[in-house]
Amino acid sequence: QVQLQESGPGLVKPSQTLSLTCTVSGGSISSGDYYWSWIRQPPGKGLEWIGYIYYSGSTYYNPSLKSRVTISVDTSKNQFSLKLSSVTAADTAVYYCARNTAMVFFDYWGQGTLVTVSS
Amino acid sequence: DIQMTQSPSSLSASVGDRVTITCQASQDISNYLNWYQQKPGKAPKLLIYDASNLETGVPSRFSGSGSGTDFTFTISSLQPEDIATYYCQQYDNLPRVTFGPGTKVDIK
Repeated sequence: QVQLQESGPGLVKPSQTLSLTCTVSGGSISSGDYYWSWIRQPPGKGLEWIGYIYYSGSTYYNPSLKSRVTISVDTSKNQFSLKLSSVTAADTAVYYCARNTAMVFFDYWGQGTLVTVSS
Repeated sequence: DIQMTQSPSSLSASVGDRVTITCQASQDISNYLNWYQQKPGKAPKLLIYDASNLETGVPSRFSGSGSGTDFTFTISSLQPEDIATYYCQQYDNLPRVTFGPGTKVDIK
């Protein structure tokens, strides 16, 4: 059974960089069958796809966030990471990591981690 | 960009009722449409992929249909545990991924 777990600071100051890591267990990121995504949800609002990465390092980003987002992968640790720069209060959200297929449906999700942007 | 609309935004129904949610895309997305259930404080759960395919382990009272721009999600007999918000999600080959705004389902 694949499991994903987000980790990282729950509080980030405005203008700084948000950094989160997703650790995958029960399956290998390097299997090649899947992509690995970040999705966020502001409190009380809907879901927004941030981007995803393939084990080779190929990345695909939401155009609305592309200038501020970097997703990377560490296959040796079975982890992938998110960096979001120049954050504002609008970036306050629950951040989820998820697994998706090439046909882009998200079949496994982490439990989510709340990141608050505040001074 | 492809815009997704869902209707209704919320609904109340009785246990045993048939519940239908619609999702409309601003342009043809073939069958690249998925449905998720999200309960409060939990991550979304995949129910239907590629418009009409039931994810393994999901009860058969959930179903989906449609192609092109118009899609339908149905709960054939609403159960108390189905109280949740339901989201549609589309993708294209650029790739771009967009979620609908959600439909909150309550028990009457």
